[in-house]
Amino acid sequence: AQSVTQPDIHITVSEGASLELRCNYSYGATPYLFWYVQSPGQGLQLLLKYFSGDTLVQGIKGFEAEFKRSQSSFNLRKPSVHWSDAAEYFCAVGAYNNDMRFGAGTRLTVKP
Amino acid sequence: EAQVTQNPRYLITVTGKKLTVTCSQNMNHEYMSWYRQDPGLGLRQIYYSMNVEVTDKGDVPEGYKVSRKEKRNFPLILESPSPNQTSLYFCASSPLSRQGYGELFFGEGSRLTVL
Repeated sequence: AQSVTQPDIHITVSEGASLELRCNYSYGATPYLFWYVQSPGQGLQLLLKYFSGDTLVQGIKGFEAEFKRSQSSFNLRKPSVHWSDAAEYFCAVGAYNNDMRFGAGTRLTVKP
Repeated sequence: EAQVTQNPRYLITVTGKKLTVTCSQNMNHEYMSWYRQDPGLGLRQIYYSMNVEVTDKGDVPEGYKVSRKEKRNFPLILESPSPNQTSLYFCASSPLSRQGYGELFFGEGSRLTVL
């Protein structure tokens, strides 16, 4: 079965600084990759997804992610973080029958 | 408004008292699923359903039951709750492409405490 590793449990960045959240996956076939964001007390919201095609994917709220097959990675980036980006971020890999596996999450704190 | 609705949002119960968490979606999605979220473990799938009357176990099904009698509803049943089922529960739905996958739409979560 597929699996996801998010190496960073907690990241702190200053407002206006750039952000990169790491995600590594393990899956034998072509993966379907997702990033979700969870604000406190809320459900998860899709930021972006990769199914096929261009390996650089644009999402909502100014986020992007790059699929690198050779590194089994799907890192999330944002050039300039806003205080409202403070949340928990989950990477997920999907397979046939929508079998979705989530990473443990990365909590982002934004310093003023 | 397209949404997934879970009830109750918060529940405190005692060991052994049967409870049901309801989930309803208004997007006509074929796929529905239940997850539990625990600190440091991310989301783990409990059960999922590819369509009406079709359900299957996820990674952590022990102690849970589900049913899918209608396309829009997917209740989660805890027949005899135990303290280790204290968790945050999420229902999700998804349209399915011909390839059998799609993005998940989540409810707002149900926080369950079993004493």
